[in-house]
Amino acid sequence: DVKVTQSSRYLVKRTGEKVFLECVQDMDHENMFWYRQDPGLGLRLIYFSYDVKMKEKGDIPEGYSVSREKKERFSLILESASTNQTSMYLCASSREPGLGEQFFGPGTRLTVL
Amino acid sequence: AQSVSQHNHHVILSEAASLELGCNYSYGGTVNLFWYVQYPGQHLQLLLKYFSGDPLVKGIKGFEAEFIKSKFSFNLRKPSVQWSDTAEYFCAVWSSGTYKYIFGTGTRLKVLA
Repeated sequence: DVKVTQSSRYLVKRTGEKVFLECVQDMDHENMFWYRQDPGLGLRLIYFSYDVKMKEKGDIPEGYSVSREKKERFSLILESASTNQTSMYLCASSREPGLGEQFFGPGTRLTVL
Repeated sequence: AQSVSQHNHHVILSEAASLELGCNYSYGGTVNLFWYVQYPGQHLQLLLKYFSGDPLVKGIKGFEAEFIKSKFSFNLRKPSVQWSDTAEYFCAVWSSGTYKYIFGTGTRLKVLA
């Protein structure tokens, strides 16, 4: 079974804090993705990575950065958290872009006060 | 810009009713199409996918979808819904042009017992 795990299910941070969201997959997938999920807006792609040390901006990268130092780990960083970044963050991985399904983690519900 | 439209945001049905959820996308090139489901409190998981071949694809739990290229549509159907189908359903498109997945805004389905 593919497993995608995320470091926290719930996180509460204060405005201006630096926030790290970690994602680990155990199926040797090349591709990893970070989305945020908001009611009525669906899933929006923040960043994705098709290889170690490689990253591409998604549709809403502003205010975020990512790191992929190892194949199995993809980190999302909020350099200075703001209240409009309160959201559910989903990590996903897939073997081949577009050809295979994405496997999703359980999500991290981040609240920024 | 590419987009995926799900016209029904909320759907309420009684058990045994038939279901059809609409999905339209705006990209003229090669696309791969997906439907994902998120049951309450659970991960997003794949229902079905279309890459090529027979435009009528069958997925898990009795769901099917039809790809109509001329209408840029990939509608999800189920002949008879069950209470356990209560969930949020997301249509997603991967395009060779952008090399990334785009999700629709989701449809919340509530099935009344």
